[in-house]
Amino acid sequence: GNSVTQMEGPVTLSEEAFLTINCTYTATGYPSLFWYVQYPGEGLQLLLKATKADDKGSNKGFEATYRKETTSFHLEKGSVQVSDSAVYFCALSGALTGANSKLTFGKGITLSVRP
Amino acid sequence: KAGVTQTPRYLIKTRGQQVTLSCSPISGHRSVSWYQQTPGQGLQFLFEYFSETQRNKGNFPGRFSGRQFSNSRSEMNVSTLELGDSALYLCASSLDHSGRLTGELFFGEGSRLTVL
Repeated sequence: GNSVTQMEGPVTLSEEAFLTINCTYTATGYPSLFWYVQYPGEGLQLLLKATKADDKGSNKGFEATYRKETTSFHLEKGSVQVSDSAVYFCALSGALTGANSKLTFGKGITLSVRP
Repeated sequence: KAGVTQTPRYLIKTRGQQVTLSCSPISGHRSVSWYQQTPGQGLQFLFEYFSETQRNKGNFPGRFSGRQFSNSRSEMNVSTLELGDSALYLCASSLDHSGRLTGELFFGEGSRLTVL
């Protein structure tokens, strides 16, 4: 079955530091890949997505590239801000079942950014 | 445009009781899915409804059930509550024009259930 593996957390960075959050996946076919973010006390929000190999999703300074050869979708940001403190989830949607609202999530990683 | 609304936001129940959670999707969204979020298991898919029909189901026992109404609003029910059912239950809605979704879910803030 489908699975998503995220690096262990939590992660604490200083403001303006470079961020990388690793995500690898296992899936049959050609899934779509997503990063969702959950700010304190809020529901999940879609941060970015990529629907095919070599696509790069980007939003709010965050980027992730769909690498089929390494089955990865690592999240990066060149300079984090305190407001980026949140929980980040990598996810994929299955490409074969037709019921694509079933997302498989990674465990999530908590990012804390210090001023 | 109003977001996904879930009620109640917080509730406390005791073992053996049952609970019903409600979700109002974004206007125009026809698909509603439910997820359970716990510190140990993370986010797990419960089920998805589209046009009042359950279209997909996760690996949860039959105590977990749901339904969708003609206005796309959805409810989920958990019967015979167990301590392990304590979790944040998240509802998400999405557009579905052609039957093939893109995974872009819009989540509510969740209903936090505590079972004592």
